[in-house]
Amino acid sequence: DAKTTQPNSMESNEEEPVHLPCNHSTISGTDYIHWYRQLPSQGPEYVIHGLTSNVNNRMASLAIAEDRKSSTLILHRATLRDAAVYYCILLPSGYSTLTFGKGTMLLVSP
Amino acid sequence: ETGVTQTPRHLVMGMTNKKSLKCEQHLGHNAMYWYKQSAKKPLELMFVYSLEERVENNSVPSRFSPECPNSSHLFLHLHTLQPEDSALYLCASSQRPAGDSTDTQYFGPGTRLTVL
Repeated sequence: DAKTTQPNSMESNEEEPVHLPCNHSTISGTDYIHWYRQLPSQGPEYVIHGLTSNVNNRMASLAIAEDRKSSTLILHRATLRDAAVYYCILLPSGYSTLTFGKGTMLLVSP
Repeated sequence: ETGVTQTPRHLVMGMTNKKSLKCEQHLGHNAMYWYKQSAKKPLELMFVYSLEERVENNSVPSRFSPECPNSSHLFLHLHTLQPEDSALYLCASSQRPAGDSTDTQYFGPGTRLTVL
């Protein structure tokens, strides 16, 4: 299984952009890149996913490197509510079961 | 609110007790999942149901028994648990049958289980 590597933690100030990196050097051509986050005392929440092209939605943007060996989740203006653990997950084609790693704990300061 | 509810939210049980966790999704989804989140360990998949049939059983001990009576409900029956089974048990659902890597999962708030 292709694996992902994320920093253990990152810090940000409120109202500033946040770039959360994820390395997946062994990704295969048909693996989808999914991002979920887990706020304190809650279940995980879907954020965004993509295959090759950059993706935007109301929550975030996903920038995927041209060689697909890394990706970056971008929160354009961090709020206190964005403090959570962010998980980068690869899903092979034909597979929908999520395999969570340790993720990145994002701390947001006022 | 994600459209996935779990009851109870907290449960304390002895090792000889039998209890059940309930999950209900109000989204019309076709796949449902049980995950376990232990302290200091990543979330791990336990079971997957797709169109009411179990399609994945991730080497879970037999003291955990899932049941999916219809597409909206999922149960996890517990018996003779061990203290190390104390964890947050999370239910999730996804719209399409399991196996679609473009689909997304919606999680419930979880049941915090403590085994004494």
